[in-house]
Amino acid sequence: DAGITQSPRHKVTETGTPVTLRCHQTENHRYMYWYRQDPGHGLRLIHYSYGVKDTDKGEVSDGYSVSRSKTEDFLLTLESATSSQTSVYFCAISKGETQYFGPGTRLLVL
Amino acid sequence: RKEVEQDPGPFNVPEGATVAFNCTYSNSASQSFFWYRQDCRKEPKLLMSVYSSGNEDGRFTAQLNRASQYISLLIRDSKLSDSATYLCVVNSGDQGGKLIFGQGTELSVKP
Repeated sequence: DAGITQSPRHKVTETGTPVTLRCHQTENHRYMYWYRQDPGHGLRLIHYSYGVKDTDKGEVSDGYSVSRSKTEDFLLTLESATSSQTSVYFCAISKGETQYFGPGTRLLVL
Repeated sequence: RKEVEQDPGPFNVPEGATVAFNCTYSNSASQSFFWYRQDCRKEPKLLMSVYSSGNEDGRFTAQLNRASQYISLLIRDSKLSDSATYLCVVNSGDQGGKLIFGQGTELSVKP
């Protein structure tokens, strides 16, 4: 257990609305990541952070922004949700070379 | 071409069977290799790291062939509880500790 929680765990929203997902860790890890998982694609990196206020884009960053104002929290924001952003979102932290994941957030955009 | 390729399966095997999964990766700069397990509607969990010399953890054996850019996972004496999706994972080889995931191989162990 890497002490990672995600909130909310499930969310249904409408197209065009803003959505923020939260990832919280209790072990002071420097690196944090946001992924989305879709059938046929596996896990794809959206954004990652290598410290407070230090973030960078991943493979599928369009339509997403992130913020990290505290070590323990990494926020993912969909500024204007679209149906193509319906997915399962996982947060992860890095311990050495491996990553450990939170329980995920299931997002449905109608 | 995907950076990490796996046969999606499903592999349907009886209890007690031996099953092998394979994976190929395209990034020659990758230095770290892993197998993760993901149960239905759950988060991925690290199963084992994969080392050049090969490594074993109980009923699980992982092998790496750097020259062929090929990784394997062997499960002996399959249990019902082994039913899951197995993800082949490599690091990106650049900064940030980024990992690249295969889409997974589904295993179903039947009584």
